[in-house]
Order: sequence, then structure tokens, then C-alpha cells
Amino acid sequence: NAGVTQTPKFRILKIGQSMTLQCTQDMNHNYMYWYRQDPGMGLKLIYYSVGAGITDKGEVPNGYNVSRSTTEDFPLRLELAAPSQTSVYFCASSYSIGTSGALFSYEQYFGPGTRLTVT
Amino acid sequence: QKEVEQDPGPLSVPEGAIVSLNCTYSNSAFQYFMWYRQYSRKGPELLMYTYSSGNKEDGRFTAQVDKSSKYISLFIRDSQPSDSATYLCAMSDFTNAGKSTFGDGTTLTVKP
Repeated sequence: NAGVTQTPKFRILKIGQSMTLQCTQDMNHNYMYWYRQDPGMGLKLIYYSVGAGITDKGEVPNGYNVSRSTTEDFPLRLELAAPSQTSVYFCASSYSIGTSGALFSYEQYFGPGTRLTVT
Repeated sequence: QKEVEQDPGPLSVPEGAIVSLNCTYSNSAFQYFMWYRQYSRKGPELLMYTYSSGNKEDGRFTAQVDKSSKYISLFIRDSQPSDSATYLCAMSDFTNAGKSTFGDGTTLTVKP
């Protein structure tokens, strides 16, 4: 199992450009998350998904969009990049336990991150 | 006020020292308490978790939860240079898509 993979590892964008950060997991996890981590700060949730076709906003969704057409993939789209979006972006996945799906694994599995600079 | 506050650090200790990392929280619904370790330029990895109050030990690591004080700690005994990393506490009530709330992290350096 490769776990959670992210591409690209690094990217420099000019202000106003757009890009898609790719995230793929091969663990058949139904829950996926996108976080950003600014220097010296914790993880801020951008968007999350509970399954294919279902996404919802996290704490800091402005300037981002997501889609989830398959269980494996959860791309994050940046439109009109701004310097405030300079950060390290992490994708994570998790799974539900319990027959009704009402309980969730306590562990999130993280990808290696994408370092994005917007200048 | 943040839902989870973590002692900011950074922390620098000599090899062999006992390290204490701490977080406080305000949401009494939190039931699961996790510690993630993040090496430089890597993604976080789960180190330990505790359900509700109590202690949990795993080798040199002990996680402690005091729900009455809304306070959690991670102790590292006989610290090693390989323990140098950022430690993030995380908490969840598991009622909302398994989302966790993370602290800002404490960066630990263990000097040989």
C-alpha cells in the first residue's frame, strides 16, 4: 500500500494563477480531508469528504474548491492564487467503524504534503 | 479563544531528559485524544491515542488525559535525538465525520 500520495511536492505560483493539488489514497477509506499548515501553526481544515460525491467546508474554505468523484481521489483546486495561500497542504484519509457508519476511526493517515508558494 | 491550546515551545532538552508536552481544551464533548508526531518536511503520523480519561503507556511514551481539568499531556522518558520533531495534540468527539481539532504543535529538539 502506498497510503496517501500527493502531487506535486513543491509548486511556485504567480498571483492569480490556478492549480490543482492531487491526493490519492489506496486504503479504501471513505473519509478524506484537506488541511493547510502555516509555519509554527497547527492544521487548519479546508474541506472534507465523507464519501464519493459528498464534500463539505471546513474551517478555512475560502479560495478553494474540491470534488470527490471516486473513493480514491480528492483533488483540491486553487482559483486565483493569492500570497495568503502560501502554505504546506496536507491531504489525509480515515474510515468509519461501526455498522451504521456513525463511529469513526481516531486515526487520520496523512500524505507527505505539497509546499506551495504564491508570489 | 481556540478550542485547543498547546504549549508553544520550542523545547530543547539534552538526551536522556524527561519531556512533558501539554494541551488544554474547552470542548467537553471531546472523547478521543491523540498525539501526532511530525518530522521536518513530512506529514504527521499518529503516535498515541487515549479514549476518555486515564493514562496509556507505550515504551518511552505515556499519554495522560484529565477530563475534569480538560488537560492532556504526553511524557517522553529517556528522550533520544530521534525524538526531535513537532508534536501535535488532536481531539475529537467523533460525531462529525471523524474530524479532529489540532493544537498548533510543539517543536522538540533533543541534543546529543
